[in-house]
Amino acid sequence: NAGVMQNPRHLVRRRGQEARLRCSPMKGHSHVYWYRQLPEEGLKFMVYLQKENIIDESGMPKERFSAEFPKEGPSILRIQQVVRGDSAAYFCASSPRKGGVLWRTEAFFGQGTRLTVV
Amino acid sequence: AQSVAQPEDQVNVAEGNPLTVKCTYSVSGNPYLFWYVQYPNRGLQFLLKYITGDNLVKGSYGFEAEFNKSQTSFHLKKPSALVSDSALYFCAVRDPGGSYIPTFGRGTSLIVHP
Repeated sequence: NAGVMQNPRHLVRRRGQEARLRCSPMKGHSHVYWYRQLPEEGLKFMVYLQKENIIDESGMPKERFSAEFPKEGPSILRIQQVVRGDSAAYFCASSPRKGGVLWRTEAFFGQGTRLTVV
Repeated sequence: AQSVAQPEDQVNVAEGNPLTVKCTYSVSGNPYLFWYVQYPNRGLQFLLKYITGDNLVKGSYGFEAEFNKSQTSFHLKKPSALVSDSALYFCAVRDPGGSYIPTFGRGTSLIVHP
């Protein structure tokens, strides 16, 4: 089992460009969570998705950010027109069912994508 | 609303000495509590959790944590620190009767000196 795979590991974008972050959950997992880590701010929840469905996006900024988890393929976190404040580490976690991650089972996190906006 | 506080940004300890990383929480009901460790440029690794049962929970790499309901705390401990334990540690809490999204603390950087 390859675990949760995120790519790219590092992403550099100029202001105004688009950033696409990909997350392939563990085999058999159908739920994905995205978190953002900023220095001295800990981990902030962004969005929780099931295949073809957004369960909870209460942590997502209202503009420029979107996420999807299609029936086939990885989950994508998309940031349009990036600004310097978007520079952060973005982590994905997966679970086999709703509430599985960080519920009673251990969490499965990816290695993260470190986005730098120049 | 649920919240978790890690009052120390950094903890320094000498190798071989016991270590404690503090965490306090606030939830409306009974909490689920978790500790994770993050090594540089890596993702989060699960260490241990408290769901119910014994207040003393044992986890990976010799770590343990004690759930104290009266003090609303879940401090992480290890009897004898190793240099390799140096990392960023996160406490997380969720209220099983409320939001299923866990709340993380800001993290505590543990530095173990040789």
